[in-house]
Amino acid sequence: EVQLLESGGGLVQPGGSLRLSCTTSGFTLSGYAMNWVRQAPGKGLEWVSRISGGSGGSTYYADSVKGRFTISRDNSKNTLYLQMNILRAEDTAVYFCARRGYDSGRPLYYFDSWGQGTLVTVSS
Amino acid sequence: QTVVTQEPSFSVSPGGTVTLTCGLSSGSVSTSHYPSWYQQTPGQAPRTLVYNTNTRSSGVPDRFSGSILGNKAALTITGAQADDELDYYCVLYMGSGISVFGGGTKLTVL
Repeated sequence: EVQLLESGGGLVQPGGSLRLSCTTSGFTLSGYAMNWVRQAPGKGLEWVSRISGGSGGSTYYADSVKGRFTISRDNSKNTLYLQMNILRAEDTAVYFCARRGYDSGRPLYYFDSWGQGTLVTVSS
Repeated sequence: QTVVTQEPSFSVSPGGTVTLTCGLSSGSVSTSHYPSWYQQTPGQAPRTLVYNTNTRSSGVPDRFSGSILGNKAALTITGAQADDELDYYCVLYMGSGISVFGGGTKLTVL
């Protein structure tokens, strides 16, 4: 069974940093691109970042986090990361990790498995 | 910056059919945007319903179907049930590794 478990959320002051982790099981992490998606309180979902499979040589970011957030992976630890720097109040959200989906062995642009999320609160 | 548009809210009668749409503030949605749809209970992780325009995810009942209608992606729910009263989101792939969610539709079954 595919499982994704986020951790590392918490309260941080504006301008601060936080690193989120997504521990995976039930599949071989290296074989999949992975994403972070967030949801501000009472708001909709927002795609944040994607990292390619394998060594993660390709990364992509939403404009809202580009230059402040860094996605990475450690396949040996079955873990995905999101390093968040220069945090702002508008970064307050539940952060979900999500696996890129495949169909008949072909990667597609959708999310086929989700974690339960970790809450990040940016406030003084 | 292109915005992905969805109806903020929609109502359907129990047993009825409803079509939610997913459009672009500029241009038309096509299969090249790989439209996908997600259902979310507030406070929980999203559930994948449909991907690649019209492929249902494993375990999703055939009451849910995806398509392209005119210049938008669409999610049609037939035989609406009380349990369908949730939030629905579409996602479009915009190229260059970027995906964008729509603002979501809150569906009411009454």
